Amino acid sequence: DAGVTQSPTHLIKTRGQQVTLRCSPKSGHDTVSWYQQALGQGPQFIFQYYEEEERQRGNFPDRFSGHQFPNYSSELNVNALLLGDSALYLCASSFGAGDQPQHFGDGTRLSIL
Amino acid sequence: KQEVTQIPAALSVPEGENLVLNCSFTDSAIYNLQWFRQDPGKGLTSLLLIQSSQREQTSGRLNASLDKSSGRSTLYIAASQPGDSATYLCAVRRGAQKLVFGQGTRLTINP
Repeated sequence: DAGVTQSPTHLIKTRGQQVTLRCSPKSGHDTVSWYQQALGQGPQFIFQYYEEEERQRGNFPDRFSGHQFPNYSSELNVNALLLGDSALYLCASSFGAGDQPQHFGDGTRLSIL
Repeated sequence: KQEVTQIPAALSVPEGENLVLNCSFTDSAIYNLQWFRQDPGKGLTSLLLIQSSQREQTSGRLNASLDKSSGRSTLYIAASQPGDSATYLCAVRRGAQKLVFGQGTRLTINP
């Protein structure tokens, strides 16, 4: 039973570029949440997707956008990259948008030069 | 706005000791509280989840308690081992799926 998988594992970009990160949820899960974790900090909630719609959003600018596909996988897109976007981006999946526990992937390490 | 604080930020103890990690939160109207472990460069592994109606949860050498009224939780690790070295994060949830995390406690167990 595959858990949450994220790709790529590492990515290096320069300021101003755009990036797309991908997440496949755990089998049987239909909800995907994205978090940003800066070095030495706890993860910060970016947004959550359920039934292909953004259901909740944290305090992140519109440069951060996402998408959920019919197979429940998800993408996180970040435009006009800033140095401060360097972080570990974590995807979490769960069943339903209610009270089920979230399962986390190993993340994508994004470095902005 | 919910804020979660973890103390201490870092802790180093010799192998075999029992230890306690602390987590406090400002809004007691939570749905549940979860403790995670994070190894360097890795994702989060859930250790224990305590529902708001519960007082504690146990798994092996780990015991987590929750005092919702005072906005506190503790993670107790018995007979610590070098393999317990990691960052421990607590997170609270209110209502829908959004988790609010503390900054973590970086734990080092010295052989």
